[in-house]
Amino acid sequence: AQSVTQLGSHVSVSEGALVLLRCNYSSSVPPYLFWYVQYPNQGLQLLLKYTTGATLVKGINGFEAEFKKSETSFHLTKPSAHMSDAAEYFCAVSNGAAGNKLTFGGGTRVLVKP
Amino acid sequence: DAGVIQSPRHEVTEMGQEVTLRCKPISGHDYLFWYRQTMMRGLELLIYFNNNVPIDDSGMPEDRFSAKMPNASFSTLKIQPSEPRDSAVYFCASSLAGKIYEQYFGPGTRLTVT
Repeated sequence: AQSVTQLGSHVSVSEGALVLLRCNYSSSVPPYLFWYVQYPNQGLQLLLKYTTGATLVKGINGFEAEFKKSETSFHLTKPSAHMSDAAEYFCAVSNGAAGNKLTFGGGTRVLVKP
Repeated sequence: DAGVIQSPRHEVTEMGQEVTLRCKPISGHDYLFWYRQTMMRGLELLIYFNNNVPIDDSGMPEDRFSAKMPNASFSTLKIQPSEPRDSAVYFCASSLAGKIYEQYFGPGTRLTVT
């Protein structure tokens, strides 16, 4: 079984400040990890993914995440928030087996203050 | 590239009525997923198909829900009879074999059952 916990359902940051969204996972096998973003009234889109190799992965719009096996974490960061980053962010895990499905966390809604 | 297409975008119906949601996946994608999103339960996987065959329907809430995929370019999710607790945003997503986790989401159908 696998699960994802996102700490904080809402995060408020000032424009230009660091964005940090926390994600912890549980998986019985080496996980594949993902962050998806959902803008208002839209479907989710893939922001970045970790499958194997380098543990620091970069995604679109300046976001990056680091896989830390010892901490079972995959936190998402962006050095400087922009107004356009206001959205809901979902962490997800898959066990990597072909045909397996994604398990999503509860989501974190980001508000960016001017 | 058209992306995943869903119709209708909004549906308002009365309790007891039949509701049919439609999805056209991205051409060439092998997998199709139906999700439901609510404030209370977050994003839930209802069912997914591989090459038009249902693989896992364990997330379908009850017998009132059914899904079909008659061909590679079309799927439906039907609720009969509908109930107020079915009110949610329903997303369809598709992906390629070997990259099942890299899912492309449609814009969703917002269903309101009164």
